[in-house]
Amino acid sequence: ETGVTQTPRHLVMGMTNKKSLKCEQHLGHNAMYWYKQSAKKPLELMFVYSLEERVENNSVPSRFSPECPNSSHLFLHLHTLQPEDSALYLCASSQDHNTDTQYFGPGTRLTVL
Amino acid sequence: AQSVTQLGSHVSVSEGALVLLRCNYSSSVPPYLFWYVQYPNQGLQLLLKYTSAATLVKGINGFEAEFKKSETSFHLTKPSAHMSDAAEYFCAVTTDQTGANNLFFGTGTRLTVIP
Repeated sequence: ETGVTQTPRHLVMGMTNKKSLKCEQHLGHNAMYWYKQSAKKPLELMFVYSLEERVENNSVPSRFSPECPNSSHLFLHLHTLQPEDSALYLCASSQDHNTDTQYFGPGTRLTVL
Repeated sequence: AQSVTQLGSHVSVSEGALVLLRCNYSSSVPPYLFWYVQYPNQGLQLLLKYTSAATLVKGINGFEAEFKKSETSFHLTKPSAHMSDAAEYFCAVTTDQTGANNLFFGTGTRLTVIP
């Protein structure tokens, strides 16, 4: 595998379910990001991790819980989501968390019923 | 705060015609500007970026963009559109004073190429 990979690519879940999204980067980068992409809206930065430490949390509801066990892996744990949370969730990585170029994964299309 | 505005949520061009996708930015400090492309069911792919070096930036797939400080613009162009260019294009801005590399994206422009 090369670049940034995300699993699963598609996920359908009920509002009472608990699921996790996984992101893995094979670029040797130190920073990783979660974005939410909703129709007709700009991409929204959710979380930023640098060297496994969270450096930014943009007022995201607590039903989204990130985890970064090492610099290559990033998870987004989901519980008691709402239908309006349905979106494409994109993971990205960059060499460091300054102005370095961010490289994106293919995303997970999440549908909350 | 930084922001970008992409004029035109949909742009249609004929195959072989000039592609022009508009992006205007707002930033009180020198910006770093990016263009990304997103093909259906895929993530974002970097086309090009401006980091205060040359104002005319060349990217992949024949695209280029020119940074114009006086117009606060960073429009994306390609001399001749191909069918494979049909996708959604996003302009984004950050600065070295923006915490944690916070990229601010525009709402995107969907490019349709007519055969």
